[in-house]
Amino acid sequence: GAGVSQSPRYKVAKRGQDVALRCDPISGHVSLFWYQQALGQGPEFLTYFQNEAQLDKSGLPSDRFFAERPEGSVSTLKIQRTQQEDSAVYLCASSSGPGSYNEQFFGPGTRLTVL
Amino acid sequence: QKEVEQNSGPLSVPEGAIASLNCTYSDRGSQSFFWYRQYSGKSPELIMFIYSNGDKEDGRFTAQLNKASQYVSLLIRDSQPSDSATYLCAVPNFGNEKLTFGTGTRLTIIP
Repeated sequence: GAGVSQSPRYKVAKRGQDVALRCDPISGHVSLFWYQQALGQGPEFLTYFQNEAQLDKSGLPSDRFFAERPEGSVSTLKIQRTQQEDSAVYLCASSSGPGSYNEQFFGPGTRLTVL
Repeated sequence: QKEVEQNSGPLSVPEGAIASLNCTYSDRGSQSFFWYRQYSGKSPELIMFIYSNGDKEDGRFTAQLNKASQYVSLLIRDSQPSDSATYLCAVPNFGNEKLTFGTGTRLTIIP
């Protein structure tokens, strides 16, 4: 594919529902990141994968948040028992490999609204 | 103190003038710095990357880095209405690629 894709683009959930957000990174990209962006704020780091290994999950706000990348390509971010404070845009980014000089390419994001 | 700080603006600049965006960071070990542009409702896109002290120019954009002062800036010359967006300063953690972003500066170019 030409870039990072995410689905769904928009998700409305009732409080307490579980949601699953999908990210398709750029083909061949080793590194994959999830960020959460609240309105008027910069993106905040959630978690990082290198291939299928989740190397950093320090940004996940609670144990209701879970991410996986079982085959080292597509990733899913799952939020259980959603709360209103989970409402945000969830951005996925990928890069070609480890190293702080590598550009991260962002997907269009999933806008989650919890009612 | 936040790790990466930006003036949230809004910053209004007349068309054709120079827009100056500033960012300070707290980690003296930071090695590289990114400027992302984010249009309303869109995802961030990288516009500049700098890792050496001094200036780096790319078209109408110039990034300036001063590691001693822990300060990085972005200058946009000959500002155009299409430059109206939020500009995010981002710093990768050394040894871990995760980016720490500032809150972003909202820039409006006035025709």
